Amino acid sequence: GQNIDQPTEMTATEGAIVQINCTYQTSGFNGLFWYQQHAGEAPTFLSYNVLDGLEEKGRFSSFLSRSKGYSYLLLKELQMKDSASYLCAVMDSNYQLIWGAGTKLIIKP
Amino acid sequence: GAVVSQHPSRVICKSGTSVKIECRSLDFQATTMFWYRQFPKQSLMLMATSNEGSKATYEQGVEKDKFLINHASLTLSTLTVTSAHPEDSSFYICSARDGKETDEQYFGPGTRLTVT
Repeated sequence: GQNIDQPTEMTATEGAIVQINCTYQTSGFNGLFWYQQHAGEAPTFLSYNVLDGLEEKGRFSSFLSRSKGYSYLLLKELQMKDSASYLCAVMDSNYQLIWGAGTKLIIKP
Repeated sequence: GAVVSQHPSRVICKSGTSVKIECRSLDFQATTMFWYRQFPKQSLMLMATSNEGSKATYEQGVEKDKFLINHASLTLSTLTVTSAHPEDSSFYICSARDGKETDEQYFGPGTRLTVT
């Protein structure tokens, strides 16, 4: 079966760095997405990785290893507004999105 | 865990025809379902929120007469794209919220619509 695993909840301190991991087992691979979702709002696109390596975009970076079925989202210089759920989703060979359950990130002052 | 399915997974239709997309919560009752559309590498755009047994609430700029939403039961919501045009080609994603878990949203796999 197809499966995406990510931690349910993480806590970090303002100004620090946090890494949210995502492992996947899917039928084929056509890219991995990271979204940020604040409560009551639509998910916001953060990154898309289809090739191995690190993609950096400001304070956020996303890494992919296709051979390991692994990705992480790295958030630097954490701000209180980064408190949100972070969703990992993989597009499979049929171009269907397989969603992780999301990681709730709590930022403490 | 909670599972949301969508049918069909992909559909190709001719301009001017209507297409119905189904969203089902398979192992829980969804008091609220959401319909999104996504363009490549962009954020999900919320189109409408539907509550079982009542009319859907549409986001600004979304034509309610073009995108008909029906949430007739606690496990099924449908989105009908009426008189589809090529610009309606997109990836449509639904999500469902378990009435017991106010913050949890479970996403469907999406339906890729291509209008020729």
